Amino acid sequence: QQPVQSPQAVILREGEDAVINCSSSKALYSVHWYRQKHGEAPVFLMILLKGGEQKGHEKISASFNEKKQQSSLYLTASQLSYSGTYFCGTRHSGAGSYQLTFGKGTKLSVIP
Amino acid sequence: DSGVTQTPKHLITATGQRVTLRCSPRSGDLSVYWYQQSLDQGLQFLIQYYNGEERAKGNILERFSAQQFPDLHSELNLSSLELGDSALYFCASSVEGGWHYGYTFGSGTRLTVV
Repeated sequence: QQPVQSPQAVILREGEDAVINCSSSKALYSVHWYRQKHGEAPVFLMILLKGGEQKGHEKISASFNEKKQQSSLYLTASQLSYSGTYFCGTRHSGAGSYQLTFGKGTKLSVIP
Repeated sequence: DSGVTQTPKHLITATGQRVTLRCSPRSGDLSVYWYQQSLDQGLQFLIQYYNGEERAKGNILERFSAQQFPDLHSELNLSSLELGDSALYFCASSVEGGWHYGYTFGSGTRLTVV
């Protein structure tokens, strides 16, 4: 089951904040977040595990609400380098849960 | 350089042909994953191998097959190619089955079927 990301696209000015959401219709074991710049490979940002804590590094952090089967990625004081497409990947709890399924992505554009 | 090596970077071939994409995982990683990325579908999971054995299968067509060799490199074989198979094919690797660590992606193979 593909997770649903919102918004599909967002434009920010440098220094502004953004939140990207990822929701699933099934119980989740973990959520991954990746950033992909145009023409490049996706780059791993962080993983959130069931029962784990909110994660973050620098000005990018994420939360995982197991009950709501949702995760959110927070980008604060955005920089030009944050531009790209952000993907969440979800792994479900239970049988057949080896697969990491990605959402369709959120395109983030940071302008001066 | 992510440590995951994919070859070739670009491939142009005709419909009906067969191609092989190759992936060498990052040193120490036991799992290899194949994903297909097209403009409107995002990253579609194809198949996963762990230490030589198939672990999970996603939306992989019967015309496609893959394997992981004893040295842990993997190959994705695409046969009877159709125009719709044109896409970016990514290989990724992880230390274990992907439960607690993220994936490292290679730079991809761009396949164009004409």
